[in-house]
Amino acid sequence: GAVVSQHPSWVICKSGTSVKIECRSLDFQATTMFWYRQFPKQSLMLMATSNEGSKATYEQGVEKDKFLINHASLTLSTLTVTSAHPEDSSFYICSAWDRLKSSYNEQFFGPGTRLTVL
Amino acid sequence: QKEVEQDPGPLSVPEGAIVSLNCTYSNSAFQYFMWYRQYSRKGPELLMYTYSSGNKEDGRFTAQVDKSSKYISLFIRDSQPSDSATYLCAMSAAGGSYIPTFGRGTSLIVHP
Repeated sequence: GAVVSQHPSWVICKSGTSVKIECRSLDFQATTMFWYRQFPKQSLMLMATSNEGSKATYEQGVEKDKFLINHASLTLSTLTVTSAHPEDSSFYICSAWDRLKSSYNEQFFGPGTRLTVL
Repeated sequence: QKEVEQDPGPLSVPEGAIVSLNCTYSNSAFQYFMWYRQYSRKGPELLMYTYSSGNKEDGRFTAQVDKSSKYISLFIRDSQPSDSATYLCAMSAAGGSYIPTFGRGTSLIVHP
């Protein structure tokens, strides 16, 4: 149980285009989903937290107009990178959390999406 | 000072060695301590979690928490090349509304 999928697993796009990444919890309902960004040999940097049916909470320094997050259902959250630029190239990882089931804040991570902006 | 400090390594050991991975932290409110393993270009997967102080063993892995020193460790016995990965510690306060804080991860290389 506790499987999280991400789609696509990798994407290459041209500068100025928008890219949407999907995160799905396959066998549980995720009350909260998180979006992380990870640069090579660096740790996870939390970008935003989204709760189903409400606006995402962005970490300091993360542009909410550039990284649009939608958590429309208990099993799906999307991250849209708008007007992508080469500096947005990174590994984007989502995680999901069932607050009702996890007593120790365990997050279940997706496999990640590698974004390359040319 | 970061809330969670973790040496990025890399740590290179021969197959069969005992590996010790560590994190220190500054927030005394942390109660839950987790270790994640992340293979290259993959998402992290939970290895072990510990509540409060003490030891926890699972196969070749042992997690230790010393809250008095604000220091946690993960030991890997009989290390295998397949253990080569980045190991991230994470910790959070009690309750259901605290987001875990992650260390930057230690890169482990186990060579045959």
